[in-house]
Order: sequence, then structure tokens, then C-alpha cells
Amino acid sequence: KQEVTQIPAALSVPEGENLVLNCSFTDSAIYNLQWFRQDPGKGLTSLLLIQSSQREQTSGRLNASLDKSSGRSTLYIAASQPGDSATYLCAVRRNYGGSQGNLIFGKGTKLSVKP
Amino acid sequence: DAGITQSPRHKVTETGTPVTLRCHQTENHRYMYWYRQDPGHGLRLIHYSYGVKDTDKGEVSDGYSVSRSKTEDFLLTLESATSSQTSVYFCAISVAGMGTEAFFGQGTRLTVV
Repeated sequence: KQEVTQIPAALSVPEGENLVLNCSFTDSAIYNLQWFRQDPGKGLTSLLLIQSSQREQTSGRLNASLDKSSGRSTLYIAASQPGDSATYLCAVRRNYGGSQGNLIFGKGTKLSVKP
Repeated sequence: DAGITQSPRHKVTETGTPVTLRCHQTENHRYMYWYRQDPGHGLRLIHYSYGVKDTDKGEVSDGYSVSRSKTEDFLLTLESATSSQTSVYFCAISVAGMGTEAFFGQGTRLTVV
């Protein structure tokens, strides 16, 4: 059974700091991995999608890496800002011989960036 | 938001009453999902659909049923609501042409009293 773990559960940093959020998964047979952001009381916003054949994806100040063999992904946030404060969720899509396996989520890392 | 609308956004209902949540998409994507989000459990899949009238169970399907009579609408029904079904419910779609990226609706907060 696929399990996704995110460490740490919560993180508080001063503005301007570079930071890394971690995600690990137990079954390397994934189709892709997706990072989301969730603001309080809101839905999930997709940040980055990494296919199983890729090593990393970048969008602005965000960089996500994937090491499928070791079951790990990291989300790197450069020069953090108070507006980055949110919960960050990692999800892996199972590979059932095709693209439409279901997403399995971690419980998230709650990030607080202090001005 | 990938054209996903959930309704209602908030609902309070009594134990034992039926409740239906609606998810509407504007872009005719084939796959649609219902998740629930609870503290300590994260997001868990309830049911999903891979086409009109084609649905399947997820991890936490007991007490829930779904229907999809049109591509754009995916309904989640709680036949007889219980307090354990108090949760935030999210609808999602998968966009196959974008490497199977998932997009989520804004959620429905359901309270069963």
C-alpha cells in the first residue's frame, strides 16, 4: 500500500530564507508526483507536476525534485515571502499501467514565513 | 481553477438526512474525483468516475454513493448523513493532456449535527 509522508509537519522561517520541504513515498511505481498549496479554508492549487521520468521541475522561486528509486521528492522555495505561508501538500499518482491511477496524499507541511 | 464549481460551499444538516453535493466542470474532462479532508487524515479518495455512468470506489467509500449522468456533473450523495461524515469535501479532475495533472475545486464544508 502506497504511503506518503511529509516532514516536517510544520515549519516557521524568517522572510528571505531558502527552505526545503520533504516528501517520501513507499512504492516507487508512480506515474507522477504533484505538489499543491492550500491556503486556510481554500481549495488546492497545483504548484508543480513531475512525471516519473523527470528529475525536477521549476516554476519561479519553486523547484521540485524527484528521486523515484529512493522514494523522495523535495520542494525548494527560494527567498521565502510572507505570502508563501500556507500548507504544502505532496501527492503521488499510482501507476496502474496507465495514467489514471489515483492520487495518494501526504498530510502536508504547514509553512509560516515571518516578516 | 480549471473550471470546477462545487455546490453548495457550506451546508449544515441533521443526522439521518440525505445530502447531495454537486461538482460541475466546464471542460469535458473524463476523470472526476471526490475526496474528503479531515485533520490528522489528510485527503482521502471517496469515489471517482472515468466516464458517464462509469464510477468506482476509493479508499473511504462506505456511506457514500455517486452518479455521473453527464460528463460535466459528478454528484456525491450521503444516503443518511452521520456525524463522522462532517468534513470538507473536494472535487477534482485530471487533465490527461497535461501529463495527468490534477485540479481541485474550492471545497464544500459539510457539518452533520
